[in-house]
Amino acid sequence: DTEVTQTPKHLVMGMTNKKSLKCEQHMGHRAMYWYKQKAKKPPELMFVYSYEKLSINESVPSRFSPECPNSSLLNLHLHALQPEDSALYLCASSRGSQGPGNTIYFGEGSWLTVV
Amino acid sequence: AQTVTQSQPEMSVQEAETVTLSCTYDTSESDYYLFWYKQPPSRQMILVIRQEAYKQQNATENRFSVNFQKAAKSFSLKISDSQLGDAAMYFCAYRSADAGNMLTFGGGTRLMVKP
Repeated sequence: DTEVTQTPKHLVMGMTNKKSLKCEQHMGHRAMYWYKQKAKKPPELMFVYSYEKLSINESVPSRFSPECPNSSLLNLHLHALQPEDSALYLCASSRGSQGPGNTIYFGEGSWLTVV
Repeated sequence: AQTVTQSQPEMSVQEAETVTLSCTYDTSESDYYLFWYKQPPSRQMILVIRQEAYKQQNATENRFSVNFQKAAKSFSLKISDSQLGDAAMYFCAYRSADAGNMLTFGGGTRLMVKP
C-alpha cells in the first residue's frame, strides 16, 4: 500500500480549465516532488520542495504552478494546459533532500488528459 | 552529468525461472546510490532494491538481488523464481550523494512473465 496518496486518479480537462492535482503523505517526510511521465518513458522531474520551500524547478512552464501548504501536502495547479501536457503525474516524497537514506517513495500517480 | 542506460527494452522470462536485467551508468562521482524501481500496469513506482556505492556487498531483497560492479559501472537486477506479478516496467535509477535528491532514470525494461 502506498503511503503517498494522490488525487484525483484520473482528470480530463479542457485547455481553458483550471484544475489541481493533490498529493499527501504522512510519513513525516520533508521533501516532496512532482514528476511527469509520458507513455513508455521514465519519469521526468518537475519540482522539488524541501522543508516546504521550492528548491528545484526544472524549467517547467508557468502553466504548472506547484504549492506546498505544509509538510504533508503538495499541490500542482494547472491552467491553460496543452494537449501535449497529457501524461501521468507522479508525486513522491523522501525523508530529506540530501544525504544517505533519503529514498524516494512514489504515489500511484494522476492520469491527466488535456482535450 | 550522469547518465543511466538500460540496453534491454524488453525481456521475457518463464514463470519460476530467473532473469537478469542490465543497467549501466556513467558518473565521475565516487559516492552515490543506485535503485531499481518497478512500475506495474497500475503505474505506481515501487522501490525494489537499493544499493549504496560505498558498500561492496550486493543488496538482496527476497527474490531480488543485484550485481553491483562499481569499476565497470554496472548494476544488474536478478529476479529469481519469477512470478506473474513481477511483470512490469523496471527502471534503474542513480542518485548522487551530494547533489540533492534528484534521480536520474534509465529508459526502462519491460519484463514479461510467461505462465
